[in-house]
Amino acid sequence: DTAVSQTPKYLVTQMGNDKSIKCEQNLGHDTMYWYKQDSKKFLKIMFSYNNKELIINETVPNRFSPKSPDKAHLNLHINSLELGDSAVYFCASSRGIWGTDTQYFGPGTRLTVL
Amino acid sequence: EDKVVQSPLSLVVHEGDTVTLNCSYEVTNFRSLLWYKQEKKAPTFLFMLTSSGIEKKSGRLSSILDKKELFSILNITATQTGDSAIYLCAVEGLTQGGSEKLVFGKGTKLTVNP
Repeated sequence: DTAVSQTPKYLVTQMGNDKSIKCEQNLGHDTMYWYKQDSKKFLKIMFSYNNKELIINETVPNRFSPKSPDKAHLNLHINSLELGDSAVYFCASSRGIWGTDTQYFGPGTRLTVL
Repeated sequence: EDKVVQSPLSLVVHEGDTVTLNCSYEVTNFRSLLWYKQEKKAPTFLFMLTSSGIEKKSGRLSSILDKKELFSILNITATQTGDSAIYLCAVEGLTQGGSEKLVFGKGTKLTVNP
């Protein structure tokens, strides 16, 4: 009965590669998010989609491209990976838009770029 | 299975009240417990707790961890309307394979009325 799931949980890859992380929620929520957690435990919002429409797009390199095929899925594609992309990426979902409802977080994807 | 349980799920108080938010956890290979404040932007990191009995304090907010009883509390004194937010608890642990994991609770929605 997993609420928010991410795949893969761990990803080790070489610089310059292109990779995708997938996120799915079975809560019937309308809004989904991608966060990047830095080494100081800060969570930085990257993108948010509401009913498949992009509503938040923070200052993120355009090598990062989110895709929402339906409101239950929000995938993150990263082109030309760089060392600085190494981090834990969290997907989350909520019923309403940002700040109005609890966000349910996935288990995270630990990306390591070598 | 790892879990983080926060209580209460929601709380409505008046300005000036003191509140206590609870977080209990069952996470294998515990490393630290994190508190975040989530409002109309990305969750803001508040505290990281690793040792039992040592209070962390920041202004009107304070938090303490009990590793024996597996819980933490977040206290907010003299609450203000600006404290209205969802407070998230997350616990870091290690998987069997030695990788890090972060498990989030569902949050406590605090509403402070004037």
